[in-house]
Amino acid sequence: EAGVAQSPRYKIIEKRQSVAFWCNPISGHATLYWYQQILGQGPKLLIQFQNNGVVDDSQLPKDRFSAERLKGVDSTLKIQPAKLEDSAVYLCASSLDRGTPSLVAFFGQGTRLTVV
Amino acid sequence: DAKTTQPNSMESNEEEPVHLPCNHSTISGTDYIHWYRQLPSQGPEYVIHGLTSNVNNRMASLAIAEDRKSSTLILHRATLRDAAVYYCILRDPLINDMRFGAGTRLTVKP
Repeated sequence: EAGVAQSPRYKIIEKRQSVAFWCNPISGHATLYWYQQILGQGPKLLIQFQNNGVVDDSQLPKDRFSAERLKGVDSTLKIQPAKLEDSAVYLCASSLDRGTPSLVAFFGQGTRLTVV
Repeated sequence: DAKTTQPNSMESNEEEPVHLPCNHSTISGTDYIHWYRQLPSQGPEYVIHGLTSNVNNRMASLAIAEDRKSSTLILHRATLRDAAVYYCILRDPLINDMRFGAGTRLTVKP
């Protein structure tokens, strides 16, 4: 079974530039999450999608971050413009629909972003 | 705003059992208790989950207190490959939310 795919694995950009991350969840998974993980901390939820609708984006810095999941499958997360403090690993995860007893989430390997 | 409390770090000797505690005093009746772990340079991976009863799988056991306000992840024989950060998470199946705390960093000594 294919897992959650993320690209790129690594990205280095200068501050004030823009960057985009891509995530392909496991087939059939309706729920998709994006997380930001700063070194030494636990993952911080940025946004949660249910199919192509946003369930929770309360911790997404909307002045510079945006995310979309147009057809309820793949998703992209964009940062524009990037700041030094955005340096982190960006993780994507997916799980089955809400209400199912087994809500195991599967994570990609993440994209490590360095802003210089 | 994590709803769980875990020790920052724990140490274990190889091939000995490890008990990782988690407090979740504000747990609701519908919250499932999930455990994930994150190996170095990897995304988190699922370990085990439960609702009320103790659970066992090939990776670990989960012991849930009768009042559900705490739980313990048990690794029966720690190996060097079990060195990771372990996260205890409460999940509401109706919302399917998933918020991490700081977790417990487990060090396994040979």
